[in-house]
Amino acid sequence: KAGVTQTPRYLIKTRGQQVTLSCSPISGHRSVSWYQQTPGQGLQFLFEYFSETQRNKGNFPGRFSGRQFSNSRSEMNVSTLELGDSALYLCASSLTDRTNEKLFFGSGTQLSVL
Amino acid sequence: GQQLNQSPQSMFIQEGEDVSMNCTSSSIFNTWLWYKQDPGEGPVLLIALYKAGELTSNGRLTAQFGITRKDSFLNISASIPSDVGIYFCAGQVDTGNQFYFGTGTSLTVIP
Repeated sequence: KAGVTQTPRYLIKTRGQQVTLSCSPISGHRSVSWYQQTPGQGLQFLFEYFSETQRNKGNFPGRFSGRQFSNSRSEMNVSTLELGDSALYLCASSLTDRTNEKLFFGSGTQLSVL
Repeated sequence: GQQLNQSPQSMFIQEGEDVSMNCTSSSIFNTWLWYKQDPGEGPVLLIALYKAGELTSNGRLTAQFGITRKDSFLNISASIPSDVGIYFCAGQVDTGNQFYFGTGTSLTVIP
């Protein structure tokens, strides 16, 4: 069974641009979460989608948005990029959005904002 | 948001030694997960814990869900060089799959 797939693996953008990251969850998994990882802040929760609906949102500005498609694939978008948005963006999937679930991560997209 | 204190921050040990690390929270968690992350890669799930007092093993790794539900422990026995990496704990408060992560323990194994 294929794991969580994230594309692209690396991205270089300049300030003010926007970026879209893609995530394909493990087959059969319906919940997709996004996390931002930086050396200073660690792993921070961005948002979670289940059945195409955003269920939870972390404490990030509105420039960060996402969506989930009917096949459970998800995209996240960051508009008006800032230098501080440079980070490893991780997507994670789980079977459902209930408790007692396991969270499986992809390899991430390393975003560098110049 | 929830604060997860993970300690120690880093460890330097000799190959063959045992390792212990822990996470504590100010809140009660329903689920604890332990991960290992290599540089430039995503975290890999090691162990999942769902009940207070639960003790679960995965090879040389053993993790426990604290009785108070505010802490969890990970032990690695007879460490080997491939154990090198950063270990994270993650806790879930309620439904919605929002997990809070510890700050990580960086493990270095000296052959």
